Amino acid sequence: NAGVTQTPKFRVLKTGQSMTLLCAQDMNHEYMYWYRQDPGMGLRLIHYSVGEGTTAKGEVPDGYNVSRLKKQNFLLGLESAAPSQTSVYFCASSRGRERDEQFFGPGTRLTVL
Amino acid sequence: GIQVEQSPPDLILQEGANSTLRCNFSDSVNNLQWFHQNPWGQLINLFYIPSGTKQNGRLSATTVATERYSLLYISSSQTTDSGVYFCAVERSRDDKIIFGKGTRLHILP
Repeated sequence: NAGVTQTPKFRVLKTGQSMTLLCAQDMNHEYMYWYRQDPGMGLRLIHYSVGEGTTAKGEVPDGYNVSRLKKQNFLLGLESAAPSQTSVYFCASSRGRERDEQFFGPGTRLTVL
Repeated sequence: GIQVEQSPPDLILQEGANSTLRCNFSDSVNNLQWFHQNPWGQLINLFYIPSGTKQNGRLSATTVATERYSLLYISSSQTTDSGVYFCAVERSRDDKIIFGKGTRLHILP
């Protein structure tokens, strides 16, 4: 099992550009999450999904959109990147209804100039 | 919103020492997790512990949900224990997951 994988690992964008971050998991997990981590801070939840075709807002959803068209994939989109979105983005998944323990991907480091 | 406070913010110990990390939270929670982020940024789940006590090798954790705190114990520290330890809670009333700011642990050889 690869666990949770994220693509790409690094990216540099210019203000106003768009991009999509891909998260994939091969553990048949129901729940998937997108977080951002900024220096000196814990992780903040952007959006999450409790199953295929569903998404919900987390703590800091503004400026991001997500889609969960397939159970194993969770996409995070930035339509018009801003410097404030420079961060490390982590995807996670968990097994079931009780939200069980979360397994994290390796992270994507995004810089917006 | 819910406050999740971790203490101490930083801790420097000699290899072999024991430590206790604390997580206080201000609202009712469905569950609580402890994570370790190593110096390379990788996040590893240590414990899923909404209540009670669990042990895994040199690590153990206790959550007292009624008193709104959790403790992570690390015994006989090793240099590989260095990194940041995060506590994360799932708030009961809306299922939102909130992380604390972490405790940065340095284990000196």
